[in-house]
Amino acid sequence: KNEVEQSPQNLTAQEGEFITINCSYSVGISALHWLQQHPGGGIVSLFMLSSGKKKHGRLIATINIQEKHSSLHITASHPRDSAVYICAARQGAQKLVFGQGTRLTINP
Amino acid sequence: NAGVTQTPKFRVLKTGQSMTLLCAQDMNHEYMYWYRQDPGMGLRLIHYSVGEGTTAKGEVPDGYNVSRLKKQNFLLGLESAAPSQTSVYFCASRMGSNNEQFFGPGTRLTVL
Repeated sequence: KNEVEQSPQNLTAQEGEFITINCSYSVGISALHWLQQHPGGGIVSLFMLSSGKKKHGRLIATINIQEKHSSLHITASHPRDSAVYICAARQGAQKLVFGQGTRLTINP
Repeated sequence: NAGVTQTPKFRVLKTGQSMTLLCAQDMNHEYMYWYRQDPGMGLRLIHYSVGEGTTAKGEVPDGYNVSRLKKQNFLLGLESAAPSQTSVYFCASRMGSNNEQFFGPGTRLTVL
């Protein structure tokens, strides 16, 4: 069993829909990262959080430390949001344990 | 700022050949990392550096060596390439232990 599990693995939705991607982890962490990998391969950091909730534009990330669970939400989804979303749990100072990613496709 | 850059973007090697991947960052970051990304697996840490002149092994270091002679550069070397090293390699950097990571665009390496 992977230390970081994401669900779903693949998600297809229509433009405008509210999107939720889930991340569960089984290890103790100091922070949880959400990354976006574009179809061209580049990786961008979206959020780093250790408690509560963060919001950036249409993206919202939440974390529940007790339940070892984080969610990434996208409101008013758009085709340009199509990408692979990766959650990563930081253990200690250097180690990041990555999930396998969720492939999101938003159709117009 | 260019951010994190990687050279080359693509490379094809024959088994047994050697090569060096270059990562450069212009953000004065202390920490630098090399990851590999393979289909069906999450990113895995190969080696990392917490400052100029220091390096440490990550999760999958075998077959790779690294050097951090200058703060802005982190080199990943393959002394004798193997087909199992066919992968996409990402470099990343960050300022400190509580900061987000910035990723380079990746290097796609194929070993025949």
